[in-house]
Amino acid sequence: DGGITQSPKYLFRKEGQNVTLSCEQNLNHDAMYWYRQDPGQGLRLIYYSQIVNDFQKGDIAEGYSVSREKKESFPLTVTSAQKNPTAFYLCASRMQANHHVYGYTFGSGTRLTVV
Amino acid sequence: SQELEQSPQSLIVQEGKNLTINCTSSKTLYGLYWYKQKYGEGLIFLMMLQKGGEEKSHEKITAKLDEKKQQSSLHITASQPSHAGIYLCGADGGGSNYKLTFGKGTLLTVNP
Repeated sequence: DGGITQSPKYLFRKEGQNVTLSCEQNLNHDAMYWYRQDPGQGLRLIYYSQIVNDFQKGDIAEGYSVSREKKESFPLTVTSAQKNPTAFYLCASRMQANHHVYGYTFGSGTRLTVV
Repeated sequence: SQELEQSPQSLIVQEGKNLTINCTSSKTLYGLYWYKQKYGEGLIFLMMLQKGGEEKSHEKITAKLDEKKQQSSLHITASQPSHAGIYLCGADGGGSNYKLTFGKGTLLTVNP
């Protein structure tokens, strides 16, 4: 079955270390997104990519970096410059064709805890 | 950027009661999405609305988009404990750069 896989589900890191969160999809979707969720904050957009080798900053990109070398993969690196990295991270994807909007599919999330 | 206001922030209802969650936009909505989330899990797609006045239903959940396309409501009839969770509305701003902006969510508790 097609879907989005985020790994790992739980991640612990020491303060000051960079960490990379994985997001892989086999839906042949063009666009991919990274969101951060904090209690009472809803979902906030970090980065998104509409095509391979291209990506744009979202609302809270500072302290994060991404790459989109393959259509299926959109890894997110949380750098040491991110001041408050402990959060729940969600990856999503969407097919884009002829400007028609299709549904967004979400992964099951990665909970990052920085100690 | 588009801002979405959800109300109420939290809701506690008795099983069997009806309830409504609202989502209001500062701009005209191009596409309005409703998702449900269990704590610590991913989002489950419920419904998408695009046209003014559109209404969709699935099982006991009905979502509506007003004619002006700036407000949506999600109505649950005869609530059950399985309806408990976080309900999120999300919106596309339209144009050539699709990205989904979310409200802060509504936490629903259904007491048996």
